[in-house]
Amino acid sequence: GAVVSQHPSRVICKSGTSVKIECRSLDFQATTMFWYRQFPKQSLMLMATSNEGSKATYEQGVEKDKFLINHASLTLSTLTVTSAHPEDSSFYICSASWGWGNTYNSPLHFGNGTRLTVT
Amino acid sequence: RKEVEQDPGPFNVPEGATVAFNCTYSNSASQSFFWYRQDCRKEPKLLMSVYSSGNEDGRFTAQLNRASQYISLLIRDSKLSDSATYLCVVNRDDKIIFGKGTRLHILP
Repeated sequence: GAVVSQHPSRVICKSGTSVKIECRSLDFQATTMFWYRQFPKQSLMLMATSNEGSKATYEQGVEKDKFLINHASLTLSTLTVTSAHPEDSSFYICSASWGWGNTYNSPLHFGNGTRLTVT
Repeated sequence: RKEVEQDPGPFNVPEGATVAFNCTYSNSASQSFFWYRQDCRKEPKLLMSVYSSGNEDGRFTAQLNRASQYISLLIRDSKLSDSATYLCVVNRDDKIIFGKGTRLHILP
């Protein structure tokens, strides 16, 4: 089945530094990838939709200058958390869709997530 | 009111029992529907798509009622390994909306 690989799976960084998270579709071309954040015991919250070759679309309340998204190829999207603060500590997950028709009507395949801890 | 709402959990159910989850959605323009399963501290995994005619996959049955705007998931003969959070996902236009999830604990 479709595989989405996310790296790193876990990162600890100091406050003020930047962290880059990669999301790769390994066996299909993903024109659209999605980035989510999940705080403990809460549901997934969509942060942004990443479109290959164009600017990402951010959800309301998500700072685009803080969460930089790059989708330079059909198989790779990156999320960079800039100037990280402890409140950015969370579980970040990417997903991509493959298959029939409209991206939004197809099932999503998720990366295995990145647990970010900012100290 | 949230666009996608699920039964609040947790559900504590003895092994072998049948469990039913419901999910309601408020926007009639919603186009496709899915159930995902998420284990603790892991990413969600697709459990099954939900079709208007209803669909079954082993012990799992999903149903969609467009008139009443809800989807359901039935798990028969529940197993310990079914313990997880079950997320209802609804797609509408260019939006993917997740329910908050329902936690299920299967008790030995």
